[in-house]
Amino acid sequence: SYELTQPASVSVALGQTARISCGGDNIGAKNVHWYQQRPGQAPVLVIFREYFRPSGIPERFSGTNSGDTATLTISRVQVGDEADYYCQVWDSPVAFGGGTKLTVL
Amino acid sequence: QVRLVQSGAEVKEPGASVKVSCKASGYTFTHFDISWVRQARGRGLVWMGWVNPNSGSTGIAQNFQGRVTMTRNTSTGTVSMELSSLKSEDTAVYYCARSSSPGFFEYWGQGTLVTVSS
Repeated sequence: SYELTQPASVSVALGQTARISCGGDNIGAKNVHWYQQRPGQAPVLVIFREYFRPSGIPERFSGTNSGDTATLTISRVQVGDEADYYCQVWDSPVAFGGGTKLTVL
Repeated sequence: QVRLVQSGAEVKEPGASVKVSCKASGYTFTHFDISWVRQARGRGLVWMGWVNPNSGSTGIAQNFQGRVTMTRNTSTGTVSMELSSLKSEDTAVYYCARSSSPGFFEYWGQGTLVTVSS
């Protein structure tokens, strides 16, 4: 099955830019999606198909995907962005990354 | 608006089965697949499989084949996931999620905690 690798944690100062990576073999050829999960809540889709944002997701959230790495970028990080973030591809079967805990300092 | 409402928490003994339901509303039920995803406490998301509410066909992740059954009821707009031969390692929150093309989950249920304990 297809494996996705994420860093366990990322820390960023308030108001700065956070980048969360998602590594996979030739992931640039796949559709990558990202979810935010706050403690005790269901995941929320924040980016689909690499860089599209669902309605209601701030423009501060963006995505890129090339080669062996996809990246979720959160600009002007806020306290409310502190959460776990998961990347996902549908590769038969569906694969999720292990998740990255974003801490806002 | 699209809503997925799941059944309540369950406590089961090892070896038993559990059935979790997910009632969809706010869209045409038969137009979108529903997947099940579980998450053990402090762990990541694990995809279990999908069900097509129109045809009833399913696709089950290899790790769960033989233990998971996914069904749908078109008259009530409900999908269900039954997990058998429960082990303590099956203790987790189980989510249903509506699939959108190409293969992402835009809408999620609130989650159902299943606890397996003797």
